Amino acid sequence: AQKITQTQPGMFVQEKEAVTLDCTYDTSDQSYGLFWYKQPSSGEMIFLIYQGSYDEQNATEGRYSLNFQKARKSANLVISASQLGDSAMYFCAMRGGYQKVTFGIGTKLQVIP
Amino acid sequence: DTGVSQDPRHKITKRGQNVTFRCDPISEHNRLYWYRQTLGQGPEFLTYFQNEAQLEKSRLLSDRFSAERPKGSFSTLEIQRTEQGDSAMYLCASSPPGVAPHSPLHFGNGTRLTVT
Repeated sequence: AQKITQTQPGMFVQEKEAVTLDCTYDTSDQSYGLFWYKQPSSGEMIFLIYQGSYDEQNATEGRYSLNFQKARKSANLVISASQLGDSAMYFCAMRGGYQKVTFGIGTKLQVIP
Repeated sequence: DTGVSQDPRHKITKRGQNVTFRCDPISEHNRLYWYRQTLGQGPEFLTYFQNEAQLEKSRLLSDRFSAERPKGSFSTLEIQRTEQGDSAMYLCASSPPGVAPHSPLHFGNGTRLTVT
């Protein structure tokens, strides 16, 4: 079974500052993928970034980076230079093999001008 | 690439009625997923198709729920005898063929169901 834990129900960040959203996971699979999604108030789920379990380098996509610590089973999302449009729910998710993707309960990020 | 399309966007129904939702995945995607999301929660897995085969169903999916993907293209999710607890956002997602677990899911905008 797979499990995703997000322990920060809500986070605030000042505009232009960086913020880290925490995610820990549990799985017995050797090969798995970790994902972060953004869900604005409009409701759509937007894929942000992916990290494979065998990737040695942390994934980066523009202002998003994933701080992957395999031994700790953590996959934190770092957003640099926060913008007002980053205010949204953020979900960490994982997938092993061809299985379903399992999501955490999310973190609500609010960017303060 | 027109994205994942879901219809309708909103559905209000009375308790006890049947409802059906449709999902059109991205055309070259062979895997299709249904999720349910309630307020303040992450998406919960309901069921998954690879082409026309339904490969996995969640225990959350009671006998009142049924999903089909008859020709491996669009999918329908039917809820019979709706209950107020069925009120939620129903999300459809698809992913391309290729090596999982690397393929992200691409989501539609969802169907918001309200049962009165």
